[in-house]
Amino acid sequence: GQNIDQPTEMTATEGAIVQINCTYQTSGFNGLFWYQQHAGEAPTFLSYNVLDGLEEKGRFSSFLSRSKGYSYLLLKELQMKDSASYLCAVRDGGYSTLTFGKGTMLLVSP
Amino acid sequence: EAGVTQFPSHSVIEKGQTVTLRCDPISGHDNLYWYRRVMGKEIKFLLHFVKESKQDESGMPNNRFLAERTGGTYSTLKVQPAELEDSGVYFCASSQGPVPQPFFGPGTRLTVL
Repeated sequence: GQNIDQPTEMTATEGAIVQINCTYQTSGFNGLFWYQQHAGEAPTFLSYNVLDGLEEKGRFSSFLSRSKGYSYLLLKELQMKDSASYLCAVRDGGYSTLTFGKGTMLLVSP
Repeated sequence: EAGVTQFPSHSVIEKGQTVTLRCDPISGHDNLYWYRRVMGKEIKFLLHFVKESKQDESGMPNNRFLAERTGGTYSTLKVQPAELEDSGVYFCASSQGPVPQPFFGPGTRLTVL
């Protein structure tokens, strides 16, 4: 079966660094996505990893280890607006049909 | 460029009634996906269109759900008759190869009373 695990909730302070982990067990693997979702809004694409290693994009970085079935999203210089749900999702086929984790609610405090 | 749009944003209906949700994908996107998030659970795949054809409908919960994409542009998802457990947020997404990531709409929040 498909199983994607990520922490339910995390808290951090403005200006700090936070790492959100995601582990997956899926029947196939063709890429891992991270999305950000503010309450009542559309999930917004953050990053995509298909090969092992680190992808950096501004304050956000994402890491993938396919052998370990593990990814993390690293957020630096946290801002209040980063308070949101962060969704880890795996694509297991040629199309972009995704299997999602339940999401990690990140609360950034002053 | 306009994003994925969905209508309505909210719908409240009674058990046994019919509801039709609409999704307008990003112009030119051949791939259109429907997902659903039930309270407390993860976002789950329902089905995938390539243009007007159903590529994968393995996530459709039962035959009370009917999705169409006539002409390969917008799509509708009809629930008939609605049951209490159909309550949730229905998301639509679209993509166009070779860009891998699907772009999501804001969702339709369906409440069945």
